[in-house]
Amino acid sequence: AAGVIQSPRHLIKEKRETATLKCYPIPRHDTVYWYQQGPGQDPQFLISFYEKMQSDKGSIPDRFSAQQFSDYHSELNMSSLELGDSALYFCASSLTGGFDNSPLHFGNGTRLTVT
Amino acid sequence: AQKITQTQPGMFVQEKEAVTLDCTYDTSDPSYGLFWYKQPSSGEMIFLIYQGSYDQQNATEGRYSLNFQKARKSANLVISASQLGDSAMYFCAMREAGGSNYKLTFGKGTLLTVNP
Repeated sequence: AAGVIQSPRHLIKEKRETATLKCYPIPRHDTVYWYQQGPGQDPQFLISFYEKMQSDKGSIPDRFSAQQFSDYHSELNMSSLELGDSALYFCASSLTGGFDNSPLHFGNGTRLTVT
Repeated sequence: AQKITQTQPGMFVQEKEAVTLDCTYDTSDPSYGLFWYKQPSSGEMIFLIYQGSYDQQNATEGRYSLNFQKARKSANLVISASQLGDSAMYFCAMREAGGSNYKLTFGKGTLLTVNP
C-alpha cells in the first residue's frame, strides 16, 4: 500500500541557511500534518492542512512556513536555521471526513542537522 | 497541563512474556480517541491500535490490546508474547473531537527493551 513519502531523508545545513522539506501524502487523504521531534522528545505538532487550506497551527516558529499544493503535496520551509532546529521532521496524513478512528499515517521523516 | 502522561520512561521484559505500558490522559471532551504508536530506533512512527471514547470493548490488534478504563482515564497498551523486534519507543496519543482538525497530542513515550 502507498505510504507517506518524505524527502529528503537526511539534510545537513548551516546556521542561518534555509531548508525545504517535502511531503507526499497517501492518495485520497485530505489532511496533512507536520510534526517536529527533537532528540529524545515526543513529536510536537507544527501545522496542518485540510484540503490545501491551513487548518491548525501549533508551536511553529515564525521562521517556518508551510503550504499544500494543488496536487496535495506539502512543503515545510525553514529559514534562518538555528542549532535548535536540528530534529526529525515528520509529515503525516489522514482521511478525516469527520471525527473517527482514522489514524495519522507518518512518513519516515526528514532528519535535519544544523551545524 | 500534560494531556497524555506516560509514567514509565523505560521498561524491560523477557522475550515471550507480556508487558503493560501505562498511559493516562486528561480531557474534558466527551468524544476523543486514543492511539498507540511504535517508534523503532530507525525512526519511523508505526500505528498500532486505536480506542474510541465510546467504544464498549477494549481494542485488540494481534498481540496488541488496549486496557481502556474510562473512569480512571487510562489506556494502557498490553503486548503479549513479546518479541525482540518489539524493542522500541512507544507513544500514547490522543485526539479530541473539540480540537482543531483532529491532530494528535503525544505523551513523552516509554522505551521498551525486550531481553532474550
